[in-house]
Amino acid sequence: DTGVSQDPRHKITKRGQNVTFRCDPISEHNRLYWYRQTLGQGPEFLTYFQNEAQLEKSRLLSDRFSAERPKGSFSTLEIQRTEQGDSAMYLCASSLTLGPSEQYFGPGTRLTVT
Amino acid sequence: DAKTTQPNSMESNEEEPVHLPCNHSTISGTDYIHWYRQLPSQGPEYVIHGLTSNVNNRMASLAIAEDRKSSTLILHRATLRDAAVYYCILTRLQGAQKLVFGQGTRLTINP
Repeated sequence: DTGVSQDPRHKITKRGQNVTFRCDPISEHNRLYWYRQTLGQGPEFLTYFQNEAQLEKSRLLSDRFSAERPKGSFSTLEIQRTEQGDSAMYLCASSLTLGPSEQYFGPGTRLTVT
Repeated sequence: DAKTTQPNSMESNEEEPVHLPCNHSTISGTDYIHWYRQLPSQGPEYVIHGLTSNVNNRMASLAIAEDRKSSTLILHRATLRDAAVYYCILTRLQGAQKLVFGQGTRLTINP
């Protein structure tokens, strides 16, 4: 399978703990995006990488959130001191740089903060 | 980001065509019109995109109004697997091309 993969698929954590999610994009894709989706809502943009450079971050991304893409391949999204409001589906997508390229989404990581 | 307006829900019958409308009256000249869909418990899936001309691919057709202020996604022969939330999204050619999802249209297909 050469699609976008995310790990873990599900994560349950207690409030105050740190969590880290991983995304492996399609191998030739330069662009990588993180989105968050809460129940009944459409996904919301969090941040975007072109290769290893993080070029845009949403105002939704508080200081507790950090994302990296160290070698321009896989990416990690870390949430420190989780809060119940962080409970959501975290989606990763990748695309090519040229033109209005379609984004390919992974299956998401569902986070539940208790 | 320019805004799109879609009906909250639509219903159709299996094997019939479905026309999903989208209004985007504030679209700018460099905005592309994208459609994505999200099946239950899955990440969004690209359907089609266009700029000015109508577009066809194996999944659907996209009809764009001459003034570009509206568009219609056409599923030629709906199946039960087409039941999903369909999102109409505008993106600029330059920059991040991030997707700004609205509420979308929840499409129900009756057998």
